[in-house]
Amino acid sequence: GAVVSQHPSWVICKSGTSVKIECRSLDFQATTMFWYRQFPKQSLMLMATSNEGSKATYEQGVEKDKFLINHASLTLSTLTVTSAHPEDSSFYICSARGRNDGGYTFGSGTRLTVV
Amino acid sequence: RKEVEQDPGPFNVPEGATVAFNCTYSNSASQSFFWYRQDCRKEPKLLMSVYSSGNEDGRFTAQLNRASQYISLLIRDSKLSDSATYLCVVYTGGFKTIFGAGTRLFVKA
Repeated sequence: GAVVSQHPSWVICKSGTSVKIECRSLDFQATTMFWYRQFPKQSLMLMATSNEGSKATYEQGVEKDKFLINHASLTLSTLTVTSAHPEDSSFYICSARGRNDGGYTFGSGTRLTVV
Repeated sequence: RKEVEQDPGPFNVPEGATVAFNCTYSNSASQSFFWYRQDCRKEPKLLMSVYSSGNEDGRFTAQLNRASQYISLLIRDSKLSDSATYLCVVYTGGFKTIFGAGTRLFVKA
């Protein structure tokens, strides 16, 4: 079945540093990757949609200069949280629509803690 | 009004109980519907797609009512391992996917 590998699973970083999160589709080509953020006890919120070879589309209220998305190949998309602050601490998760039944395959998520 | 709304939780049920979740959506042009299960601090996993004709997978039954714009998930003979958050997901076309806030289910012995 479709698998999306996401790394790292968790990261703790200091305020002001940047963190890169990778998502790779292992057995299918993900022309589109969705990036979500989930705060405790809340639902997944779409941050941006990345398309291979083009600029990402960001949802309203998401700072594109802070959350840099790169989708350089059909199997790799990255999200970089630049100059992270404690309020950026959250669960970040990627997803691609690679299943035959139309369902989405999620990465395992990255728990980011900014101290 | 939210684009996708789910039953407020949590649902606390005993083992063996039958429990039903509902989810309403506002966009009549929505194309695909799914139920996902999310365990604490983990990624959501597809539980089942939802078809107009209804579909069943073991103890789980999903139904779609396009006229009333809602989908439902029925869990029969609840197990302790069914305890999780159940997310309603609606794909409206293009790159638009909307998640419900989720309904927490606690199954107790």
